[in-house]
Amino acid sequence: DIQMTQSPSSLSASVGDRVTITCRASQSIINYLNWYQQKPGKAPRLLIYGVSILQSGVPSRFSGSGSGTDFTLTISSLQPEDFATYYCQQSYSARTFGQGTKVEIK
Amino acid sequence: EVQLVQSGAEVKKPGESLKISCEGSGYSFSTNWIGWVRQMPGKGLEWMGIIYPADSDTRYSPSFQGLVTISADKTINTAYLQWNRLRASDTAMYYCARSDTSWSPFDYWGLGTLVTVSS
Repeated sequence: DIQMTQSPSSLSASVGDRVTITCRASQSIINYLNWYQQKPGKAPRLLIYGVSILQSGVPSRFSGSGSGTDFTLTISSLQPEDFATYYCQQSYSARTFGQGTKVEIK
Repeated sequence: EVQLVQSGAEVKKPGESLKISCEGSGYSFSTNWIGWVRQMPGKGLEWMGIIYPADSDTRYSPSFQGLVTISADKTINTAYLQWNRLRASDTAMYYCARSDTSWSPFDYWGLGTLVTVSS
C-alpha cells in the first residue's frame, strides 16, 4: 500500500507568516492528493482536493501544488483560525493519510 | 444539506462486540462511498476502509482487514463498523465520511463516535 510522509510534524508560526507543509508519496499518485484541516475536538475538514482545487468555502490563502510523489500545502498569510493540524491523503489507491502537521502559535 | 449522523459514544469491556452506525441524508446514499477513519487519543487519522452501499463493494486497509467489518443497509441509508471482540487498543474516535467516487476525497464527515474499551 502507498505510504504518505508529511514534514514537518509540527511547526510554530506567527499570524501573517507564510507556511509550507510538504507531503511525499511512496509511489506516484498522479494528482490524487487531498488536504484536510482538523481542529481539536472536531472532525476533519476537506480543504483541497486534486492537488490544488479549493473546496467550497475555503479561503484563497490556502493553496496546493505538486504532482507524482511530491506535494505542498501553502498558507500564504497565517490567520488565527488556521492554527490546527493538517493531513495529506492519497486517494489513488484506496486511501492513506499522512501523519499530520501541527501548526502552533509562535 | 448533506449530513452524516453517527451513533453515540460507547463504553465496552475487552472481548465484547460492538456495532456503530453512520446514517446519511441529503444525498443519494446508495451511490456514494462511505469510509471509516480511526483516530486514537492524541494521534493522527488512519483510514480503515470504505464501502459502496449500492452493491456493498468493500475495501479494507491492510491494517484493519480481519479486525473489523464494514457493512451498509441502503434501505435505511446507514453504514456500520463492527467489532466481534474489542481490545483496549480499539479505544479511539471513529469517523465516517462520504466520498462520491472510489478515488475522491472525503468531502463530508460525521462528528465521530468515541469508543472506549476498558475493563
